[in-house]
Amino acid sequence: AQSVTQPDIHITVSEGASLELRCNYSYGATPYLFWYVQSPGQGLQLLLKYFSGDTLVQGIKGFEAEFKRSQSSFNLRKPSVHWSDAAEYFCAVGASRGEKLTFGTGTRLTIIP
Amino acid sequence: NAGVTQTPKFQVLKTGQSMTLQCAQDMNHEYMSWYRQDPGMGLRLIHYSVGAGITDQGEVPNGYNVSRSTTEDFPLRLLSAAPSQTSVYFCASSGGSSEQFFGPGTRLTVL
Repeated sequence: AQSVTQPDIHITVSEGASLELRCNYSYGATPYLFWYVQSPGQGLQLLLKYFSGDTLVQGIKGFEAEFKRSQSSFNLRKPSVHWSDAAEYFCAVGASRGEKLTFGTGTRLTIIP
Repeated sequence: NAGVTQTPKFQVLKTGQSMTLQCAQDMNHEYMSWYRQDPGMGLRLIHYSVGAGITDQGEVPNGYNVSRSTTEDFPLRLLSAAPSQTSVYFCASSGGSSEQFFGPGTRLTVL
C-alpha cells in the first residue's frame, strides 16, 4: 500500500531564512510525486510535481524539490522564505493515471519577522 | 474555464439528515475524486471515478455514495449524516497526467 510521511507537524522559520520540508513515501511502482500548498480557508494549489527525468524540480513561488529514490524522499526547499509562505504544505504520491492521490498529514509553516 | 466548482461552500446538517455535495468540472477530465480533510490527518480519499458510469471506493467510503452519469459532474451523497462526517470536503479532477486540480472545498458541520 502506498503511504506518505511528513515527519514535521509544525515548523517555524524566520523571514529570509532557508526552508526544507521533509517528505518520505512508500510506493510499489514509479511514483508520481507532488507538493501542494494550502492557505487558511483555501483550497489546494500545486507547487510542483515530479514524474521522471531530472530529480531536481522547480516549482512556483521559488520552491524546488529533490527526488531521491534511494531514500524514498521528496523534500521541498526554498532558499529564502517570505511572510506570504505561511501556510500548510502537503506532500502526495499517486499513480500515472491520476484518479487518486495519497497525502501526507501536512506540515504547518509559520514565518516570524 | 471555471475549473473545478463545488457547492455549497458551507453547510450545517442535523444528525440523520441527507444531502448532496455538488462537484463539476469543465476541463473534460476523465478522472474525478472526493477527499475529506480533517485536522492532523491530511486529505483522505472517499470515492473516485475513472469515467462516466465507473466509480470505486477510496480509503474512507463508509456513509457516502457517489455516481457519475456525466463526465462533468460527480456528486457526493451523505445518506444519513453523522457528527463524524463533520469535515472539509474537496473534489478534484485529473486529465490523466496524475496532477489533480482541486475545487475550493465545502465545509460541512453535522450537529
